[in-house]
Amino acid sequence: EAAVTQSPRNKVAVTGGKVTLSCNQTNNHNNMYWYRQDTGHGLRLIHYSYGAGSTEKGDIPDGYKASRPSQENFSLILELATPSQTSVYFCASGGRDRGATLYFGEGSRLIVV
Amino acid sequence: QQQVRQSPQSLTVWEGETAILNCSYENSAFDYFPWYQQFPGEGPALLISILSVSDKKEDGRFTIFFNKREKKLSLHIADSQPGDSATYFCAAPRGSALGRLHFGAGTQLIVIP
Repeated sequence: EAAVTQSPRNKVAVTGGKVTLSCNQTNNHNNMYWYRQDTGHGLRLIHYSYGAGSTEKGDIPDGYKASRPSQENFSLILELATPSQTSVYFCASGGRDRGATLYFGEGSRLIVV
Repeated sequence: QQQVRQSPQSLTVWEGETAILNCSYENSAFDYFPWYQQFPGEGPALLISILSVSDKKEDGRFTIFFNKREKKLSLHIADSQPGDSATYFCAAPRGSALGRLHFGAGTQLIVIP
């Protein structure tokens, strides 16, 4: 079964601190994605990757960086966390075709105080 | 601008009733519409999908009706069960982008026993 695991599941960070959210997939999918979910906005794409070494900006990349060191791992980095980045973050993996199913992790809840 | 719109934001039905969740879109080029189901504390998971060449897709109690002319579709959940209580997202592919999706803001469904 497709598996995407995220860590940490819960995180409290201080304003101005650095936060790294990690994602690992065992699906051997080329594509990986980071979304944030906020009430009223649904899922918004932050960064995505087509394979190891590649990262692309999504719709709301400001304040976020991404890293794809390997096929399996994709990280989201908040260099200077702000309260507006308090949210639930989801990682997903999927194939390359347009109709590919996305497989989501269970989410990482981040609170920035 | 939201490419995919959903209504209502929240819907409450009694067990056994048919729940109807609506979705509309602007871009005539959209040709594939997956619906994702998300339970509290979990990531979204693909529930059912439809191609624009079809006007109906059934999978058990879940049916998508698609009206290409009006750019509207709806998800009907027949004989709703308390276990169907979840948030449902309508989505569409982002142009030729491989695997990326526009998500609607979601409809939260509550089924009362």
